[in-house]
Amino acid sequence: GAVVSQHPSWVICKSGTSVKIECRSLDFQATTMFWYRQFPKQSLMLMATSNEGSKATYEQGVEKDKFLINHASLTLSTLTVTSAHPEDSSFYICSARGDRIYEQYFGPGTRLTVT
Amino acid sequence: GDSVTQMEGPVTLSEEAFLTINCTYTATGYPSLFWYVQYPGEGLQLLLKATKADDKGSNKGFEATYRKETTSFHLEKGSVQVSDSAVYFCALSDPGGTSYGKLTFGQGTILTVHP
Repeated sequence: GAVVSQHPSWVICKSGTSVKIECRSLDFQATTMFWYRQFPKQSLMLMATSNEGSKATYEQGVEKDKFLINHASLTLSTLTVTSAHPEDSSFYICSARGDRIYEQYFGPGTRLTVT
Repeated sequence: GDSVTQMEGPVTLSEEAFLTINCTYTATGYPSLFWYVQYPGEGLQLLLKATKADDKGSNKGFEATYRKETTSFHLEKGSVQVSDSAVYFCALSDPGGTSYGKLTFGQGTILTVHP
């Protein structure tokens, strides 16, 4: 099956700093990538949808100036958490979709801890 | 809006026991329905799917039938194994929505199978 990687797998940063998380599709072209946030023992919440070469579409309640998403190529999307605060600590998961519209392939996730 | 409700866990079973994880949904259009599985330390993987009413998805001994009349997509397996221990997510994708292909997830059910 298709493989999606995320880097880093975990990161600790200080409050006020910015953190960048990468999501890569390793063996297919991802025309659309999704970014999710998962709190402990809770479901995945979609944060934004990005199409290659276009601006991301953010879900209601997600601050676009805080969670910057870039999808500059068909194999790479990045999520930058700007001016991170402890409440941004969470598990961030990306998924990618190629030409099979209903099939999304998920990355292993990135654990962000803001101290 | 769209929503998915799963039975609360955690679920603990002995090996070879019968498994049922209930899932019901609310959607505005005619959704496709999915079960995803997340093994410890790994990303979500598609377990099975059904795209229209009365379809049965099946994979690795797991089955789920798309029941439009009861808006349900319950996951079943006749004989679970220790290796089935994971978190299971029910999800829907509503092509009638504005975010084409967007997945809405249930809260996840933790399954633990003991030898």
